[in-house]
Amino acid sequence: GESVGLHLPTLSVQEGDNSIINCAYSNSASDYFIWYKQESGKGPQFIIDIRSNMDKRQGQRVTVLLNKTVKHLSLQIAATQPGDSAVYFCAESSGYSTLTFGKGTMLLVSP
Amino acid sequence: DARVTQTPRHKVTEMGQEVTMRCQPILGHNTVFWYRQTMMQGLELLAYFRNRAPLDDSGMPKDRFSAEMPDATLATLKIQPSEPRDSAVYFCASGLTGRSYGYTFGSGTRLTVV
Repeated sequence: GESVGLHLPTLSVQEGDNSIINCAYSNSASDYFIWYKQESGKGPQFIIDIRSNMDKRQGQRVTVLLNKTVKHLSLQIAATQPGDSAVYFCAESSGYSTLTFGKGTMLLVSP
Repeated sequence: DARVTQTPRHKVTEMGQEVTMRCQPILGHNTVFWYRQTMMQGLELLAYFRNRAPLDDSGMPKDRFSAEMPDATLATLKIQPSEPRDSAVYFCASGLTGRSYGYTFGSGTRLTVV
């Protein structure tokens, strides 16, 4: 069936570096994508979303890039901080249907 | 801040017992999801409601799981009888169809079946 997957299970960076977390999706009908951050013991927290009619969207210190040609999504975090350490999930949806989540990538930020 | 409230936060029960988990979605949200999270399977969709009507519960074991929305302020997920393999964190999320900002998740119910 359709699925959303992540290339890297763990990403380790130094504080102040930029981080890039990648996600591949396989459902060509997906038109809405979300990145979530999950800290230990908490529920997933919305970070940023993007619709399929866009290829880039920026938030505060975060940027999401969407490449529909190769079905690839990435989350860029600028000037990564220790508080950014968490598991990051991408999720995809089509036509306001349910969200399908990837397996997650753990981001570890060293001071 | 508006939040999704889940109770209980933790539940330990014996195999065979009934478990009921509750969720209060954000006021005004018309979409409610139940997800289960395990290390092996990640986040799996169990059930999905829109305007209180169940739209998709294909991810839920029908023989033991049931999900309902008795009113717009309460969603329940029930397991009867519970089994050790049901041990997981169960999340409820709510949202408003057609709006951005994704869906808001609750803090989850950590269920342990012994």
